[in-house]
Amino acid sequence: TQLLEQSPQFLSIQEGENLTVYCNSSSVFSSLQWYRQEPGEGPVLLVTVVTGGEVKKLKRLTFQFGDARKDSSLHITAAQPGDTGLYLCAGAEGSGGGADGLTFGKGTHLIIQP
Amino acid sequence: GAGVSQSPSNKVTEKGKDVELRCDPISGHTALYWYRQSLGQGLEFLIYFQGNSAPDKSGLPSDRFSAERTGGSVSTLTIQRTQQEDSAVYLCASSLSYRWGTGELFFGEGSRLTVL
Repeated sequence: TQLLEQSPQFLSIQEGENLTVYCNSSSVFSSLQWYRQEPGEGPVLLVTVVTGGEVKKLKRLTFQFGDARKDSSLHITAAQPGDTGLYLCAGAEGSGGGADGLTFGKGTHLIIQP
Repeated sequence: GAGVSQSPSNKVTEKGKDVELRCDPISGHTALYWYRQSLGQGLEFLIYFQGNSAPDKSGLPSDRFSAERTGGSVSTLTIQRTQQEDSAVYLCASSLSYRWGTGELFFGEGSRLTVL
């Protein structure tokens, strides 16, 4: 099983600030997903990136997949209290699909204080 | 409903008792996954079902854990002789099967298990 390291583990900032969280591995992934999980709920998919160097934007969220497809970052501009949650990255190892190829990181706990 | 449904939402049991957790996936989704999430942690893969294929049980932590999926739809995760370290949120997810990669996983709200 390939490991995904997420950093920081915890982050608490004020509303309106910008932030970046990271997802790193020594292994190559065919694709990488970001999920957000709120307390008492299951994770919800935010984005899937599949091409090295790919950048995707979702309103104030910008996702980047590293050129070597080993790492990814999530940048949030002008954070809002509604962005609070656990952000999980998940990497797919191959193209065959299925759980045997999907590895989750431990997540970044993000708190946006009003 | 339209989403993944899990029951019970909360379960408190005594050490040594057996528990069953149920997952009803999204209609038409051929893939079903069980994950375990301990307090504040990421997701630990347990087991994966894909259509009529043999399940991938590689994540089950011990032989006290088992799961079945009847008729390619509803799944039950059974934990026998529960231990305190089994306390966690058990998440079920389903997805469409993608030949070229991993598609979106749709998660239920989880079953929170507390073993006293």
